[in-house]
Amino acid sequence: AQSVTQLGSHVSVSEGALVLLRCNYSSSVPPYLFWYVQYPNQGLQLLLKYTTGATLVKGINGFEAEFKKSETSFHLTKPSAHMSDAAEYFCAVKTSGSARQLTFGSGTQLTVLP
Amino acid sequence: DTEVTQTPKHLVMGMTNKKSLKCEQHMGHRAMYWYKQKAKKPPELMFVYSYEKLSINESVPSRFSPECPNSSLLNLHLHALQPEDSALYLCASSAGGRGQAYGYTFGSGTRLTVV
Repeated sequence: AQSVTQLGSHVSVSEGALVLLRCNYSSSVPPYLFWYVQYPNQGLQLLLKYTTGATLVKGINGFEAEFKKSETSFHLTKPSAHMSDAAEYFCAVKTSGSARQLTFGSGTQLTVLP
Repeated sequence: DTEVTQTPKHLVMGMTNKKSLKCEQHMGHRAMYWYKQKAKKPPELMFVYSYEKLSINESVPSRFSPECPNSSLLNLHLHALQPEDSALYLCASSAGGRGQAYGYTFGSGTRLTVV
């Protein structure tokens, strides 16, 4: 079975500050990990994904995430928050051989304060 | 074309109505999905189509009926819905292939309100 846990349903940061959104996964086999962003009344947009290889993954809009197997984590970071980053962020996991299913975390609402 | 297009964007329907949601992609993806998303919650998987065949039905009530007429189109037929079915319905597609980590491409969704 696979699952993800997102620590913190709400995170607030000041504009220009570091963004850190936490995601821990549980999987019995090597996972594929994803971060999606959802703006109000819109669908989900893929920010970045980890499959194999380099553990530091760079995505769109200046976001990056590091896969740490020893900590079963895949935290999302951005050095400097922008007002336009305010949105809901979902971490998701998919394991090799599963029937093309993503399992989503519960989501983290990011607020950026001026 | 790198988009998944969903129509309509908004839909209000009565509990006795019959309506359909439509989803279209032209990326050559062979797996397509319907998700239901309630406010402040993650998307919940409803159906998976793989190569135009229904491969997963997550115990969805029969008032929701999916259809995949061809590799580019996915429909969700709605009949006799309940107010609790009001939600954002998302369509997604992926390139498919067991064991391969394809990201999903999501549409912008249909906001459904059942009155």
